[in-house]
Amino acid sequence: EVQLVESGGGLVQPGGSLRLSCAASGFTFSNYWMSWVRQAPGKGLEWVANIKGDGSEKYYVDSVKGRFTISRDNAKKSLSLQMNNLRAEDTAVYYCARGVIGDCWGQGALVTVSS
Amino acid sequence: QSVLTQPPSASGTPGQRVTISCSGSSSNIGSDTVNWYQQLPGTAPQLLISDNNQRPSGVPDRFSGSKSGTSASLAISGLLSEDEADYYCATWDASLNGFVFGTGSKVTVL
Repeated sequence: EVQLVESGGGLVQPGGSLRLSCAASGFTFSNYWMSWVRQAPGKGLEWVANIKGDGSEKYYVDSVKGRFTISRDNAKKSLSLQMNNLRAEDTAVYYCARGVIGDCWGQGALVTVSS
Repeated sequence: QSVLTQPPSASGTPGQRVTISCSGSSSNIGSDTVNWYQQLPGTAPQLLISDNNQRPSGVPDRFSGSKSGTSASLAISGLLSEDEADYYCATWDASLNGFVFGTGSKVTVL
């Protein structure tokens, strides 16, 4: 069974940093692109970033470029999102998803940016 | 704001057919396949339709997708109360070099 489990969410002050992780199981992790998608409270879905199976290609939404970094450790079957210089508008549930299109999603991790 | 436009809401009575549209442009829907997601209240989204009209294993055939030019549609036939959810279209945008989601449509079963 494919499973994605996010961790690392929490409350952080504006300008602070947070690192999200996603533990994958049930599939050959290195064969898949992986993505992060977020959803602000009461709002729609917003794609954040994705990364190729071997880590050689990465793409980001404009609003996080230069602040967020997506990475992966295929040996540990783990996906990460390093978030720096966080803003109030980054407050959202962050989902880890398999593939470019997200054929399987985790349960999400809540990130709250507030003073 | 999203580059893919959906109606905010749609509704129908049990058994009816409901259709949700997704309007884009030549750089997104016009040049790539469309996917649809269902998000039940309080849960993570799940893939409903991929590659314009393909249903992943386990998705009932009451759900169908289509695409024409720069627009796409999701149809739900034989509407059930359990279909009350938010629905999102999505595709890759070549101009933005990123994945884009639609604005989302809330389906209500009357």
